[in-house]
Amino acid sequence: EAGVVQSPRYKIIEKKQPVAFWCNPISGHNTLYWYRQNLGQGPELLIRYENEEAVDDSQLPKDRFSAERLKGVDSTLKIQPAELGDSAVYLCASSSGLHYNEQFFGPGTRLTVL
Amino acid sequence: RKEVEQDPGPFNVPEGATVAFNCTYSNSASQSFFWYRQDCRKEPKLLMSVYSSGNEDGRFTAQLNRASQYISLLIRDSKLSDSATYLCVVNINNAGNMLTFGGGTRLMVKP
Repeated sequence: EAGVVQSPRYKIIEKKQPVAFWCNPISGHNTLYWYRQNLGQGPELLIRYENEEAVDDSQLPKDRFSAERLKGVDSTLKIQPAELGDSAVYLCASSSGLHYNEQFFGPGTRLTVL
Repeated sequence: RKEVEQDPGPFNVPEGATVAFNCTYSNSASQSFFWYRQDCRKEPKLLMSVYSSGNEDGRFTAQLNRASQYISLLIRDSKLSDSATYLCVVNINNAGNMLTFGGGTRLMVKP
C-alpha cells in the first residue's frame, strides 16, 4: 500500500516569494493534516481536513498561509509571501475514521527561506 | 507552559542499557496518549499507545500516571537501531483526532 506522498521534498526560495506544497494521502483516508516542524521541536498542527472541509485551522497564519483540499483527496498548502521564519519541514499526515490516533506521515517538504 | 513537555536530551547510552523517558502534559482532560518515533530527517511513526494499566511491546514499556499527568517510556536492552527521537503525544479529545506533540527526546545508543 502506498504511503502519504508529498512533493517537493526540498524547496529553497528567497523571502517574499510564494511557495506551494502538495500532499496525496493514503487511499481511503478521509482525514488529512498539515503540520509544521521546526528544528528540535515536535510537529505543530496547521490545519486539519475531514474530506474537503477544513475543520480546524486555528493555528494557520491566515495572512500568508492558505490550504485547499478541493475534492477531498489531495491537498495543497501555500505560503505567500514567505518569510525567513517559515523555514521548517512541512509534514502532511492522514488517518482513517477507524483509527484516528494513528496518523501516517509523509516524508515532508523541507523549506528553506533565504 | 507547553501542553506536552519532554526533556530534549540527548540521552547517550551504551548498547544493552535500559533507558527511560518521561513526559508531562498540562491538560487534565487529555484522553489518550502515545509514543511516536522519529528517525533523523524522517517522518514520525507510531511506536505504541499508552494505556492506563500500562502496556508492553517487546523491549518497550509505556506507563501512564493520570494523577501526576505524566507518561513514561522504558526501553530495555537498547539496540543501536533504537537511536531516534521519541515524541510524546497526547489526544485531548477522543472524539476529535487532535494530537499534540511534545518536542521529543533524542536517544543515541553507542556500541
